[in-house]
Amino acid sequence: DVKVTQSSRYLVKRTGEKVFLECVQDMDHENMFWYRQDPGLGLRLIYFSYDVKMKEKGDIPEGYSVSREKKERFSLILESASTNQTSMYLCASRAAGNYGYTFGSGTRLTVV
Amino acid sequence: DQQVKQNSPSLSVQEGRISILNCDYTNSMFDYFLWYKKYPAEGPTFLISISSIKDKNEDGRFTVFLNKSAKHLSLHIVPSQPGDSAVYFCAATKGGGSNYKLTFGKGTLLTVNP
Repeated sequence: DVKVTQSSRYLVKRTGEKVFLECVQDMDHENMFWYRQDPGLGLRLIYFSYDVKMKEKGDIPEGYSVSREKKERFSLILESASTNQTSMYLCASRAAGNYGYTFGSGTRLTVV
Repeated sequence: DQQVKQNSPSLSVQEGRISILNCDYTNSMFDYFLWYKKYPAEGPTFLISISSIKDKNEDGRFTVFLNKSAKHLSLHIVPSQPGDSAVYFCAATKGGGSNYKLTFGKGTLLTVNP
């Protein structure tokens, strides 16, 4: 069964900390995505990557960066965590030429 | 500018009845539409999709209808079951090729009461 694995289900971090959220997929997918989900706001795209070492800003990239050094791994970095970054973070991947995403289970991040 | 809109934040139906979830879009370039289902503390899972060359797609209890002239699609669940209680996201995309992204609506929370 194909999988997208997010390293942590729950995280609590302090304001100002640098936070790394890791995502690994085992499907050899070219495209990977980071979304955040907030009540009343739905799924908002933070960053995406079409291939290794490639990245594109999504709709809300401020305060975030990403890294994709290997095809299977896509990392989301909060440079200096703030309380408004408390959210559910969802990673997804997709094979080039397909339409649907496969999502991970999400990381619930709380910044205190 | 919100290109995919789900105007009903929530919907409550009785078990066994029909659930109808609606979605509107503004971008006429969108040509493929998907529905995802999300339980709390889990990632969204793909449910059903439809291409703009069709007006209906059916998979078991789930049917998606597309009205291109109205830029409207709907998801019908018949009969509804308590296990269908979840947040449903409508998503749309344009073009094909290798590089694109989905645009999601804000979601509708469906509650199916026993």
